Amino acid sequence: AQKVTQAQTEISVVEKEDVTLDCVYETRDTTYYLFWYKQPPSGELVFLIRRNSFDEQNEISGRYSWNFQKSTSSFNFTITASQVVDSAVYFCALSGKARQLTFGSGTQLTVLP
Amino acid sequence: EAGVTQFPSHSVIEKGQTVTLRCDPISGHDNLYWYRRVMGKEIKFLLHFVKESKQDESGMPNNRFLAERTGGTYSTLKVQPAELEDSGVYFCASSQLDLRTDTQYFGPGTRLTVL
Repeated sequence: AQKVTQAQTEISVVEKEDVTLDCVYETRDTTYYLFWYKQPPSGELVFLIRRNSFDEQNEISGRYSWNFQKSTSSFNFTITASQVVDSAVYFCALSGKARQLTFGSGTQLTVLP
Repeated sequence: EAGVTQFPSHSVIEKGQTVTLRCDPISGHDNLYWYRRVMGKEIKFLLHFVKESKQDESGMPNNRFLAERTGGTYSTLKVQPAELEDSGVYFCASSQLDLRTDTQYFGPGTRLTVL
């Protein structure tokens, strides 16, 4: 069975601070895919990134960066110089041989002005 | 290009009534998924269509839920009769068939409230 754990239920930071959202996963599949989605107050799920299990290279996209470490089964997400518009619920998710996504419980990020 | 659309955005019904949710995937996406998030819980998988066929319906909670995807285009999810515990947000997602590009894009969700 697959499992995704986001231990941080809520995080609150002040604008311009850096913040890291943790994600730990469990799977028996040898090939799998990891995702981050953002759910702003409007409610839709917005795709942010997808990583393949065979590609551990970290990725940076603007103020966003992702740290994938197979050795610790973690796929953490860092927002640099956070902004109020970053306030949202962030979900980490996993898929494998079965194509459906297994989601973590989400982390509510609040960025205060 | 249009994203995944869902209708209605909100639905409020009484226990025992029937509700039908609709999802229009991104054009050309053969994979279509339904998920739901019950209040305070995680987003859970319901079922997966490949074109018009049900690939995996292991997440469907019971036989009060019926999903269809006629012609491999849009999909409907019917709840009959609705129960209080069915309240939540129902998300639809679609993706391409190729596993290498199988990123699921989500619709805005339908918020269902059963009174």
